[in-house]
Order: sequence, then structure tokens, then C-alpha cells
Amino acid sequence: GAGVSQSPSNKVTEKGKDVELRCDPISGHTALYWYRQSLGQGLEFLIYFQGNSAPDKSGLPSDRFSAERTGGSVSTLTIQRTQQEDSAVYLCASSFDKKTQYFGPGTRLLVL
Amino acid sequence: KNEVEQSPQNLTAQEGEFITINCSYSVGISALHWLQQHPGGGIVSLFMLSSGKKKHGRLIATINIQEKHSSLHITASHPRDSAVYICAPRENGGSQGNLIFGKGTKLSVKP
Repeated sequence: GAGVSQSPSNKVTEKGKDVELRCDPISGHTALYWYRQSLGQGLEFLIYFQGNSAPDKSGLPSDRFSAERTGGSVSTLTIQRTQQEDSAVYLCASSFDKKTQYFGPGTRLLVL
Repeated sequence: KNEVEQSPQNLTAQEGEFITINCSYSVGISALHWLQQHPGGGIVSLFMLSSGKKKHGRLIATINIQEKHSSLHITASHPRDSAVYICAPRENGGSQGNLIFGKGTKLSVKP
């Protein structure tokens, strides 16, 4: 069966541009998570969606970051006015039981 | 101050050896995840623990909530176990998604 997919797999952008990263969770998974992993660093929580509840945005590093989840399925993470420090791998995960998280392959973002 | 400490940071073992990776944390937690990140970057969730011990194949995870410590053991290690192993507790009061992550233990198993 299909796992979590993310697109694009790689994104190179210029500083100041906006980017959108997409996550398609496993069908039927109500929980969706975004994390990022900067080069040489550990994983960092960004945002969590659970069903129709208000998302937990406590991990978003600045107001340039936002995410939405339409129809309880696909999610888009948007970074406005990108900065070089935004360069990282952005990982999406989904879960049906909030115990096991299934991770996507990630989007590698490079801000020049 | 790092709230999650893993040891060792790097570990090289010979095939067949018994491996232990340790995780200590300083905050109160409701659960703890162990994740495996493959050399290509893909991440797999291995365990979620809130108490005691769990076993899956050659992998065993234990947690002592009072001592704020968890261990991941690999029996009869194999080169395909080579990966980064990440400890990720979920802080008390935090949402289901808000995990705090250790920096990982890089394991290399030689044939």
C-alpha cells in the first residue's frame, strides 16, 4: 500500500522567496505531523494536526511558517520570505493511533 | 541545556554483537518513541513506550519512568541495522505530536 508521500523531493530557492511543501498522508490517518531536520542537527517538531481539532502550532519557529490541512488529508507547509537558516529536510508523518508514526521521505530545502 | 541525551553518539560493532543505546531525559514525559533513520534519510518508528518493556524481533526497548531513562537493545546485530537511532520523548502536557528529540546514535555494524 502507499505510504506517506511528500513533494517536491528537493527544492532550491532564493532567499526571500516563498515555498510550499506538500504532504500526502496514508489514507485514513487522522494525525499528521511536520518536523524538520537541519544539517547535523536532530529532528525538530513543527506542527501537529489531529482530525478536525485546532492544530498544535507550538513548534513553528516564526510567523513566516504556516501549515494547513485540507479535508483532513493533504497538508501544505508554507514558508514565506525564506531565509538561509530555513534550509533543512522537512519531514511529514502520519498516524492512525497516535502511537506509531509513519514518516514520508522528506523534502530537502536549500535556500541560497 | 539539552533535555534529551543519548549515548553513545557513535557506535561501531561487529556483526552478531549485542548493542545497547541509552537515552536519558530531564523532563516529565507521557511516552517515548524510538526511531530509526536509515542512511538514505528515511525514518521508521520502532517503538512507543510508556512503561516497562517492548520487544519486536531482535529489538528490545525498555523504559524506567522514575529514573527518566530508556534503552534500546539490538540482539545479534547485523549490518542492515546500521542507521541512526533517535530517542524522542513526549513531554507531559505536550500535544501528541510535540516530541523532543535526541541527537541520535549512529550505529555501524561491520560484517
